[in-house]
Amino acid sequence: AQRVTQPEKLLSVFKGAPVELKCNYSYSGSPELFWYVQYSRQRLQLLLRHISRESIKGFTADLNKGETSFHLKKPFAQEEDSAMYYCALTPFGAGSYQLTFGKGTKLSVIP
Amino acid sequence: GAGVSQSPRYKVAKRGQDVALRCDPISGHVSLFWYQQALGQGPEFLTYFQNEAQLDKSGLPSDRFFAERPEGSVSTLKIQRTQQEDSAVYLCASSLGPISGELFFGEGSRLTVL
Repeated sequence: AQRVTQPEKLLSVFKGAPVELKCNYSYSGSPELFWYVQYSRQRLQLLLRHISRESIKGFTADLNKGETSFHLKKPFAQEEDSAMYYCALTPFGAGSYQLTFGKGTKLSVIP
Repeated sequence: GAGVSQSPRYKVAKRGQDVALRCDPISGHVSLFWYQQALGQGPEFLTYFQNEAQLDKSGLPSDRFFAERPEGSVSTLKIQRTQQEDSAVYLCASSLGPISGELFFGEGSRLTVL
């Protein structure tokens, strides 16, 4: 069974400050990891996935298998980054389909 | 439509009533998922369809929950004899292929059971 832990329910940072949203996972096999975001009054949407190794809206996330972590980072927070962020995991490979989500972290960027 | 559409957006039911929640996935998407999101929690998997086949229903919390996708497009999640603990947002998501990853979510149906 897989598990995703997001230790912070709420994270408040000032505009321009660095942001790090923590995500730890538990899974015995090889995982595929994602960050989903939900802006106010909008639907849940994919922000980034670790296999893409890309930066979206200035956010990056590196999979650290040794620490079983997939923290989301941004060097300079913007007000429009305020949202709920969910880390999610699926077993990697053909036939995998079930996404397991963490409980989410609410990011509040203070102007 | 441009995205996944769910209806109703809000539903209030008296305890013991049956409810039906509808999901219109993005046209051509093979995979369809239902998730339940309780207040303050992340989405929790309920069930998965690949076309019309329900391949996994392991997340359905009880036999009062039933989902179908008879023609491989629109899906309905039915909850019989609703209980207060069923109060949650029910999210539908679809994806293009059989392997998930980028799920496209609907806005959800918020169910409140009194």
